[in-house]
Amino acid sequence: GNSVTQMEGPVTLSEEAFLTINCTYTATGYPSLFWYVQYPGEGLQLLLKATKADDKGSNKGFEATYRKETTSFHLEKGSVQVSDSAVYFCALSDRSNDMRFGAGTRLTVKP
Amino acid sequence: EAQVTQNPRYLITVTGKKLTVTCSQNMNHEYMSWYRQDPGLGLRQIYYSMNVEVTDKGDVPEGYKVSRKEKRNFPLILESPSPNQTSLYFCASSLSGPDTQYFGPGTRLTVL
Repeated sequence: GNSVTQMEGPVTLSEEAFLTINCTYTATGYPSLFWYVQYPGEGLQLLLKATKADDKGSNKGFEATYRKETTSFHLEKGSVQVSDSAVYFCALSDRSNDMRFGAGTRLTVKP
Repeated sequence: EAQVTQNPRYLITVTGKKLTVTCSQNMNHEYMSWYRQDPGLGLRQIYYSMNVEVTDKGDVPEGYKVSRKEKRNFPLILESPSPNQTSLYFCASSLSGPDTQYFGPGTRLTVL
């Protein structure tokens, strides 16, 4: 079945550091890939998505590229801010209409 | 304001006492879904619904029921809750299919 594997956290960075959170997936066919973010005490919000190979999703300075050859969708940001502290979830969906999330990676950014 | 609402936000109950968590969306979305969030496991899908009267099992449906009699509402029913159903529950909706989903604020359930 489909599955998503994310790098384990927590991740702690200093402000303005470069961020990478790794995500790999297992799926048949061509799933859509997502990054969701959960701020403390809130529900998840869509951060970015990509629906086909080589697509790049981007939002709020975050980027991720759909790499079919490596089955990956790594999240990157060039310069993190304290306000980026949150839990980040990689997810996929396919034609079966169910949704699979990774375990989540907690990011803490220190001033 | 476009939103997904859940009630209650917090609930402490005892084993075996039936409960319902309500979910409502005001965006005329066709797709609705329930998830549970547990430490180290991320979100796992319980049930989803593609439209009125159409529901399907997700990854972890055991011990849960749902219904979709109206487009806007998708209640989650625990007929006989057990302690292993203690979790944080999220309802979500999207226009069609599990694409961009809008999440509710969550319901923290404790079963004693």
